[in-house]
Amino acid sequence: SQQGEEDPQALSIQEGENATMNCSYKTSINNLQWYRQNSGRGLVHLILIRSNEREKHSGRLRVTLDTSKKSSSLLITASRAADTASYFCATDAGQNFVFGPGTRLSVLP
Amino acid sequence: DGGITQSPKYLFRKEGQNVTLSCEQNLNHDAMYWYRQDPGQGLRLIYYSQIVNDFQKGDIAEGYSVSREKKESFPLTVTSAQKNPTAFYLCASSTPGTRWEIQPQHFGDGTRLSIL
Repeated sequence: SQQGEEDPQALSIQEGENATMNCSYKTSINNLQWYRQNSGRGLVHLILIRSNEREKHSGRLRVTLDTSKKSSSLLITASRAADTASYFCATDAGQNFVFGPGTRLSVLP
Repeated sequence: DGGITQSPKYLFRKEGQNVTLSCEQNLNHDAMYWYRQDPGQGLRLIYYSQIVNDFQKGDIAEGYSVSREKKESFPLTVTSAQKNPTAFYLCASSTPGTRWEIQPQHFGDGTRLSIL
């Protein structure tokens, strides 16, 4: 089973709305990272949150981490059509990452 | 601009043929990675290398081979032993992590491999 799994699998919202996606994982981690992937492209790193942090912000992105629940959430505020992409959480598992299956976000104009 | 270049963008393989996917980076990163992505799924690690002339198998190494003769280059060969090679292949690099933290990875734009 996956170390990290995103929820929901797909999300469709109107431009200007907020989008929230969640990531659950199974074992203890040192850090958790979120990535974005536009269709047919590589992944782009968005934000890293360490296990001793609870919340981080970067522009319109807000990430929270709850190590007691083994979960993280990514909030994108005031979404734009350009935010349409798949979003992945990556958790460290020894020396490497384990990526979840992702959340496909569609932002409708 | 620094980055990772993967080539070709599209590749077709005939039955019984080996094909090699190129990955070059000019970010001066020590660590490099190869992932496979199937439709609607996350990334699965094929091979990784933390330093020149050294590499380790990932979760799905069977049917694949790599080399790391130069810091900048980490080519992946999909051999005829890989019976289901159709997928999107992504190469990534990063600065070395520590035992406490894996560093963010920088990705190329992928190679889409299909079977003829």
